Amino acid sequence: SQKIEQNSEALNIQEGKTATLTCNYTNYSPAYLQWYRQDPGRGPVFLLLIRENEKEKRKERLKVTFDTTLKQSLFHITASQPADSATYLCALDFNNDYKLSFGAGTTVTVRA
Amino acid sequence: DGGITQSPKYLFRKEGQNVTLSCEQNLNHDAMYWYRQDPGQGLRLIYYSQIVNDFQKGDIAEGYSVSREKKESFPLTVTSAQKNPTAFYLCASGTGLNEQYFGPGTRLTVT
Repeated sequence: SQKIEQNSEALNIQEGKTATLTCNYTNYSPAYLQWYRQDPGRGPVFLLLIRENEKEKRKERLKVTFDTTLKQSLFHITASQPADSATYLCALDFNNDYKLSFGAGTTVTVRA
Repeated sequence: DGGITQSPKYLFRKEGQNVTLSCEQNLNHDAMYWYRQDPGQGLRLIYYSQIVNDFQKGDIAEGYSVSREKKESFPLTVTSAQKNPTAFYLCASGTGLNEQYFGPGTRLTVT
C-alpha cells in the first residue's frame, strides 16, 4: 500500500537559518506533490504544488524539490522567522483521482 | 468573503447520538472532501464528492454518512456506529488536480 513518511521529529531552529523538511513516499509515483501549512487548531493552508516533470519550485522564502527516482520531496524554509512556526504537511495524489493522501506532518519551531 | 465555512467550531455529544457537521463553500468548486485528524496523525479521508448528487467513500467511511444535494454544501453525519468519533474534522474543496482549500475545522467530543 502507498505510504508517506515525513520527519518524525519536530524541528527546532534558530531564526535566520534554513529549515529542511523531508517527505518520502513508497510505491507509485504521483503526478504531483503538495505542501501545506497547518497552525494549531486550524485547517491546513496550501503552500506549493510541484509536478513530476518539475525538479524545483520556489515561492518567496520557500523552495520545494521533487525527486521521483528517490521518491522524495524536500521542503526548505530559508531565512526562517518565528512566524514560520507551524506543522508542515506533504500530500500526494497517488492514483491521479483527485484524492490526496497526507503525511503526519513535521512541526517546526523557529526561535528568535 | 470567499471561502469554506464549517460550523460549529466545537461540538459536544453524548455517546449513541448522531451528529451532523456543516460545510459550506462559495468558491464554486466541484469537489468537496471530509477528513478526520487525530493527534499526531495525518489527515484521513472520510468521504469525497466530485459532483452534486454523487459521492464516494474514502479510507475510513465506516460510521459516517454524507449528502451532496447542492454544489455549495457537503454535510457530514457522524453516526452512533462510529467507534471513536472524538476528533478534529476538516472539510475541504477543490477544482480537481490542484490544491485543496480547507475550512477552519470542527472539534467533536463525544462522551
